[in-house]
Amino acid sequence: GQQLNQSPQSMFIQEGEDVSMNCTSSSIFNTWLWYKQDPGEGPVLLIALYKAGELTSNGRLTAQFGITRKDSFLNISASIPSDVGIYFCAGPNTGNQFYFGTGTSLTVIP
Amino acid sequence: EAGVAQSPRYKIIEKRQSVAFWCNPISGHATLYWYQQILGQGPKLLIQFQNNGVVDDSQLPKDRFSAERLKGVDSTLKIQPAKLEDSAVYLCASSLAQGPYEQYFGPGTRLTVT
Repeated sequence: GQQLNQSPQSMFIQEGEDVSMNCTSSSIFNTWLWYKQDPGEGPVLLIALYKAGELTSNGRLTAQFGITRKDSFLNISASIPSDVGIYFCAGPNTGNQFYFGTGTSLTVIP
Repeated sequence: EAGVAQSPRYKIIEKRQSVAFWCNPISGHATLYWYQQILGQGPKLLIQFQNNGVVDDSQLPKDRFSAERLKGVDSTLKIQPAKLEDSAVYLCASSLAQGPYEQYFGPGTRLTVT
C-alpha cells in the first residue's frame, strides 16, 4: 500500500534550536497536511498546503509543498518545550485515498 | 464549539469478543472518518462517511469490522470478533467538507485485545 516516509524518525534538540523534517511519497499527492499529536490525544492540524511549490507559515512553523508533488517539508524555528510531540504528514494521493506518514518524534531539551 | 467526542476512552477485551466504539462529530460537520492507529505508527484511514453514505472503505477489514452513521450524525465502529492485532487506538475525525480539508480529531479509544 501507499507509504509516506518521514525523516528523521526521531529528533532530540536543545530548546531554541531550529528543526527540519520531511516527508516523501512514491506517488503524487494533491494536498499536503502537517499534524502534531500529543500523547493520549488526537492529531491537530498545523498547516495545509494545496499547490506545488507553496510555502506557508503558521507562527514559528513553515511548511513547503515540494515541486515534484512527492514531498513536503516542515520547519520549526526557535523550538520551545511545548513543541514536543509526534509530527505527521498526511494527504490524499491522486486516487483521493488519504494517508498519514510514519511520523517524526520531537523531543526538546530545556 | 464542542470538539469531536468519543467513547469509551479505554476498552480491554479478550480475543474473539465483540466491541463497539461511538463517535459524535462536531455539529454541522458532514464528513466523518474512522482511523486505526497502531502504537508507533501513523493513523490509517478505515472508513470515510459523507453524511450517512460511505465515501471510502477500501482499507476496512470488512470480514470483522463494520461501521454505520445513521442519520448522518453519530457513528459507531464495531469489531466482531476481535483479534490480538486489533489492539490500537481508534480515532474519529470530522470535517465540514469532503476531501482532505481540516479534519478535527477526537481523543481516541484505546483498545487492548488479550
